Amino acid sequence: AQSVTQPDIHITVSEGASLELRCNYSYGATPYLFWYVQSPGQGLQLLLKYFSGDTLVQGIKGFEAEFKRSQSSFNLRKPSVHWSDAAEYFCAVGARAGTALIFGKGTTLSVSS
Amino acid sequence: NAGVTQTPKFQVLKTGQSMTLQCAQDMNHNSMYWYRQDPGMGLRLIYYSASEGTTDKGEVPNGYNVSRLNKREFSLRLESAAPSQTSVYFCASSEDRGPYNEQFFGPGTRLTVL
Repeated sequence: AQSVTQPDIHITVSEGASLELRCNYSYGATPYLFWYVQSPGQGLQLLLKYFSGDTLVQGIKGFEAEFKRSQSSFNLRKPSVHWSDAAEYFCAVGARAGTALIFGKGTTLSVSS
Repeated sequence: NAGVTQTPKFQVLKTGQSMTLQCAQDMNHNSMYWYRQDPGMGLRLIYYSASEGTTDKGEVPNGYNVSRLNKREFSLRLESAAPSQTSVYFCASSEDRGPYNEQFFGPGTRLTVL
Protein backbone atom coordinates (compact mmCIF):
# COMPACT_ATOMS: atom_id res chain seq x y z
CA ALA A 1 0.00 0.00 0.00
CA GLN A 2 1.12 3.52 -0.71
CA SER A 3 1.91 5.49 2.41
CA VAL A 4 4.02 8.20 3.96
CA THR A 5 5.30 8.00 7.51
CA GLN A 6 6.55 10.90 9.54
CA PRO A 7 7.78 9.23 12.72
CA ASP A 8 8.01 12.38 14.82
CA ILE A 9 4.73 13.99 15.79
CA HIS A 10 6.34 16.92 17.61
CA ILE A 11 9.91 18.22 17.70
CA THR A 12 11.36 21.10 19.71
CA VAL A 13 14.58 22.72 18.54
CA SER A 14 16.51 25.63 19.97
CA GLU A 15 16.79 28.68 17.80
CA GLY A 16 20.03 28.51 15.82
CA ALA A 17 20.29 24.73 16.12
CA SER A 18 20.10 22.37 13.17
CA LEU A 19 16.93 20.54 12.21
CA GLU A 20 16.12 17.23 10.57
CA LEU A 21 12.56 16.04 10.00
CA ARG A 22 12.14 12.44 8.93
CA CYS A 23 9.98 11.08 6.16
CA ASN A 24 9.68 7.51 4.92
CA TYR A 25 7.50 6.44 2.04
CA SER A 26 6.12 3.33 0.48
CA TYR A 27 5.22 3.75 -3.17
CA GLY A 28 5.06 1.30 -6.03
CA ALA A 29 6.04 3.61 -8.84
CA THR A 30 8.80 6.18 -9.19
CA PRO A 31 7.94 8.66 -6.48
CA TYR A 32 7.66 12.38 -6.73
CA LEU A 33 8.35 13.74 -3.26
CA PHE A 34 7.35 16.98 -1.64
CA TRP A 35 7.67 18.86 1.60
CA TYR A 36 5.00 21.39 2.54
CA VAL A 37 4.86 23.77 5.49
CA GLN A 38 1.74 25.03 7.22
CA SER A 39 1.85 27.99 9.56
CA PRO A 40 -0.94 28.21 12.16
CA GLY A 41 -4.27 29.02 10.56
CA GLN A 42 -2.78 29.07 7.08
CA GLY A 43 -2.81 26.90 3.98
CA LEU A 44 0.07 24.75 2.79
CA GLN A 45 3.14 26.18 1.12
CA LEU A 46 5.54 24.08 -0.94
CA LEU A 47 9.07 24.04 0.48
CA LEU A 48 10.73 21.78 -2.06
CA LYS A 49 10.17 18.88 -4.42
CA TYR A 50 12.08 15.95 -5.89
CA PHE A 51 11.43 14.21 -9.14
CA SER A 52 14.77 12.92 -10.40
CA GLY A 53 18.41 13.82 -10.72
CA ASP A 54 20.48 15.18 -7.87
CA THR A 55 19.29 13.53 -4.68
CA LEU A 56 19.92 16.66 -2.61
CA VAL A 57 17.36 19.31 -3.39
CA GLN A 58 17.26 22.89 -2.22
CA GLY A 59 14.08 24.66 -1.32
CA ILE A 60 12.84 27.96 -0.04
CA LYS A 61 13.62 29.45 3.36
CA GLY A 62 16.99 27.68 3.56
CA PHE A 63 15.57 24.16 3.64
CA GLU A 64 17.00 21.16 1.84
CA ALA A 65 16.06 17.51 1.56
CA GLU A 66 17.89 14.38 0.58
CA PHE A 67 16.30 11.50 -1.31
CA LYS A 68 17.65 8.09 -0.36
CA ARG A 69 16.08 5.39 -2.49
CA SER A 70 17.69 2.54 -0.55
CA GLN A 71 16.11 3.79 2.67
CA SER A 72 12.86 5.03 1.09
CA SER A 73 13.46 8.30 2.85
CA PHE A 74 13.21 11.98 2.05
CA ASN A 75 14.36 13.84 5.15
CA LEU A 76 14.11 17.60 5.47
CA ARG A 77 16.99 19.58 6.94
CA LYS A 78 17.91 23.11 7.87
CA PRO A 79 21.30 24.09 9.30
CA SER A 80 20.05 26.87 11.57
CA VAL A 81 16.46 27.18 12.68
CA HIS A 82 14.73 30.52 13.13
CA TRP A 83 11.77 31.18 15.40
CA SER A 84 9.66 31.83 12.33
CA ASP A 85 10.17 28.21 11.25
CA ALA A 86 7.76 27.03 13.94
CA ALA A 87 4.98 25.38 11.97
CA GLU A 88 3.66 22.01 10.89
CA TYR A 89 5.55 20.18 8.17
CA PHE A 90 4.08 17.63 5.81
CA CYS A 91 5.86 15.15 3.58
CA ALA A 92 3.93 13.94 0.53
CA VAL A 93 4.42 11.48 -2.31
CA GLY A 94 2.74 11.35 -5.68
CA ALA A 95 2.93 10.09 -9.19
CA ARG A 96 2.22 11.73 -12.51
CA ALA A 97 0.50 15.05 -12.82
CA GLY A 98 -3.22 14.90 -12.32
CA THR A 99 -3.14 12.30 -9.59
CA ALA A 100 -3.55 12.90 -5.90
CA LEU A 101 -0.77 13.24 -3.35
CA ILE A 102 -0.48 11.04 -0.31
CA PHE A 103 0.41 13.02 2.78
CA GLY A 104 2.07 12.04 6.00
CA LYS A 105 0.39 12.98 9.25
CA GLY A 106 2.74 15.87 9.82
CA THR A 107 5.42 16.96 12.27
CA THR A 108 4.90 19.98 14.44
CA LEU A 109 8.05 22.01 14.96
CA SER A 110 8.44 24.23 18.00
CA VAL A 111 11.41 26.58 18.31
CA SER A 112 12.67 27.53 21.74
CA SER A 113 14.71 30.63 22.49
CA ASN B 1 -2.87 36.18 -9.55
CA ALA B 2 -4.94 35.24 -6.55
CA GLY B 3 -3.95 31.57 -6.85
CA VAL B 4 -6.50 29.30 -5.17
CA THR B 5 -9.36 30.97 -3.33
CA GLN B 6 -11.91 29.36 -1.03
CA THR B 7 -15.17 30.59 0.41
CA PRO B 8 -16.28 30.76 3.12
CA LYS B 9 -13.32 30.89 5.51
CA PHE B 10 -15.39 29.80 8.50
CA GLN B 11 -18.76 28.10 8.81
CA VAL B 12 -20.83 26.65 11.60
CA LEU B 13 -23.62 24.23 10.70
CA LYS B 14 -26.17 22.23 12.62
CA THR B 15 -26.41 18.51 12.08
CA GLY B 16 -28.46 17.80 8.96
CA GLN B 17 -27.92 21.14 7.30
CA SER B 18 -26.40 21.36 3.85
CA MET B 19 -23.81 23.67 2.40
CA THR B 20 -21.43 24.08 -0.50
CA LEU B 21 -17.79 25.01 -0.21
CA GLN B 22 -16.53 26.99 -3.14
CA CYS B 23 -13.08 26.85 -4.70
CA ALA B 24 -11.64 28.71 -7.65
CA GLN B 25 -8.20 28.93 -9.22
CA ASP B 26 -6.84 31.41 -11.73
CA MET B 27 -3.73 29.50 -12.80
CA ASN B 28 -5.36 27.65 -15.68
CA HIS B 29 -4.73 24.32 -13.97
CA ASN B 30 -6.43 21.20 -15.21
CA SER B 31 -6.52 19.27 -11.94
CA MET B 32 -8.26 20.25 -8.73
CA TYR B 33 -8.59 18.51 -5.38
CA TRP B 34 -10.48 18.62 -2.10
CA TYR B 35 -8.77 17.51 1.09
CA ARG B 36 -9.82 17.50 4.71
CA GLN B 37 -7.39 18.01 7.55
CA ASP B 38 -7.98 16.60 11.00
CA PRO B 39 -5.62 16.71 13.98
CA GLY B 40 -3.06 13.93 13.82
CA MET B 41 -4.42 12.67 10.50
CA GLY B 42 -2.62 14.86 7.98
CA LEU B 43 -4.51 15.65 4.79
CA ARG B 44 -6.85 13.12 3.33
CA LEU B 45 -8.22 13.31 -0.18
CA ILE B 46 -11.99 13.57 -0.52
CA TYR B 47 -12.43 13.99 -4.27
CA TYR B 48 -10.39 15.17 -7.18
CA SER B 49 -10.92 16.23 -10.74
CA ALA B 50 -8.20 15.55 -13.29
CA SER B 51 -9.90 17.65 -15.93
CA GLU B 52 -13.04 19.62 -16.57
CA GLY B 53 -16.01 17.29 -16.58
CA THR B 54 -14.39 14.46 -14.64
CA THR B 55 -14.34 13.68 -10.93
CA ASP B 56 -13.00 10.77 -8.92
CA LYS B 57 -13.33 9.61 -5.36
CA GLY B 58 -10.44 9.85 -2.99
CA GLU B 59 -9.80 8.22 0.35
CA VAL B 60 -12.78 9.67 2.28
CA PRO B 61 -15.63 10.53 -0.12
CA ASN B 62 -18.62 9.42 1.97
CA GLY B 63 -21.01 12.23 2.80
CA TYR B 64 -19.68 14.54 0.11
CA ASN B 65 -20.43 15.42 -3.49
CA VAL B 66 -18.44 17.55 -5.90
CA SER B 67 -19.02 19.54 -9.04
CA ARG B 68 -16.40 20.67 -11.50
CA LEU B 69 -18.36 23.64 -12.76
CA ASN B 70 -15.75 24.71 -15.28
CA LYS B 71 -11.97 24.70 -15.49
CA ARG B 72 -11.65 27.32 -12.76
CA GLU B 73 -14.16 26.13 -10.19
CA PHE B 74 -14.53 22.97 -8.11
CA SER B 75 -17.17 22.89 -5.39
CA LEU B 76 -17.68 20.49 -2.49
CA ARG B 77 -21.17 19.86 -1.14
CA LEU B 78 -22.27 18.43 2.17
CA GLU B 79 -25.88 17.30 1.71
CA SER B 80 -26.58 16.47 5.35
CA ALA B 81 -23.79 17.61 7.63
CA ALA B 82 -22.66 15.41 10.50
CA PRO B 83 -20.40 16.23 13.47
CA SER B 84 -17.79 13.86 11.98
CA GLN B 85 -17.43 16.34 9.14
CA THR B 86 -16.08 19.01 11.45
CA SER B 87 -12.71 19.68 9.88
CA VAL B 88 -10.58 22.09 7.90
CA TYR B 89 -11.15 21.73 4.19
CA PHE B 90 -8.49 22.59 1.66
CA CYS B 91 -8.83 22.95 -2.06
CA ALA B 92 -5.78 22.55 -4.29
CA SER B 93 -4.94 22.66 -7.96
CA SER B 94 -2.07 21.43 -10.09
CA GLU B 95 -0.67 21.94 -13.54
CA ASP B 96 -0.40 18.91 -15.74
CA ARG B 97 2.15 20.08 -18.25
CA GLY B 98 5.04 18.56 -16.41
CA PRO B 99 5.75 15.57 -14.26
CA TYR B 100 5.83 17.25 -10.92
CA ASN B 101 2.17 17.43 -9.95
CA GLU B 102 3.01 20.30 -7.63
CA GLN B 103 -0.18 21.23 -5.87
CA PHE B 104 -1.10 24.76 -4.87
CA PHE B 105 -3.37 25.12 -1.87
CA GLY B 106 -6.05 27.55 -0.86
CA PRO B 107 -6.27 29.07 2.63
CA GLY B 108 -8.85 26.56 3.85
CA THR B 109 -12.39 26.55 5.19
CA ARG B 110 -12.87 25.81 8.86
CA LEU B 111 -16.15 23.97 9.30
CA THR B 112 -17.82 23.10 12.58
CA VAL B 113 -20.89 20.88 12.67
CA LEU B 114 -22.84 20.99 15.92
